[in-house]
Amino acid sequence: TQLLEQSPQFLSIQEGENLTVYCNSSSVFSSLQWYRQEPGEGPVLLVTVVTGGEVKKLKRLTFQFGDARKDSSLHITAAQPGDTGLYLCAGRMDSNYQLIWGAGTKLIIKP
Amino acid sequence: DVKVTQSSRYLVKRTGEKVFLECVQDMDHENMFWYRQDPGLGLRLIYFSYDVKMKEKGDIPEGYSVSREKKERFSLILESASTNQTSMYLCASSFGYSGANVLTFGAGSRLTVL
Repeated sequence: TQLLEQSPQFLSIQEGENLTVYCNSSSVFSSLQWYRQEPGEGPVLLVTVVTGGEVKKLKRLTFQFGDARKDSSLHITAAQPGDTGLYLCAGRMDSNYQLIWGAGTKLIIKP
Repeated sequence: DVKVTQSSRYLVKRTGEKVFLECVQDMDHENMFWYRQDPGLGLRLIYFSYDVKMKEKGDIPEGYSVSREKKERFSLILESASTNQTSMYLCASSFGYSGANVLTFGAGSRLTVL
């Protein structure tokens, strides 16, 4: 059973469109991270959110941590082919030092 | 530029062979991790280490062992490889003990067991 459910699992859209990826749980997390993994590479951290309701922006990417710290979203505005990759969310609970990973969202942006 | 280097990017082994996956980091990080990545399953933790000669089991340690003789090097060992161990293996490291620790990953080692 996945403690962190990511949706959608796969998304293929045209350049210029907007999209949102979701990361949901019934558990409370002390922090949540988003990583992007490009083909042939390891995941690279995009952002860490730690406060309920927190919103962080990274150029065209907007990350939000739910008020109850059980969910998070990643919104991409005007997607570019360079946004193509596997997006992974990972949460950390107060009771467990280790990260809990979502299954990932494979995103393809077509020119 | 900080780095985690996995020495083998692609390996093909036969069932029953002993397999060594090597990982070296140059950031003087205390913590090192071995994950396995399979489509639709995300990252699953195999083993991790907080310090030299220390190791802790992760979620799926069966069939694997690890070695950390030096701070910068963390090795994953498959004593007798099986076909269900065909996967992408990711090594990562992190600094200190913090709720917002950032993992730095290597590029991965894709292992195929025939």
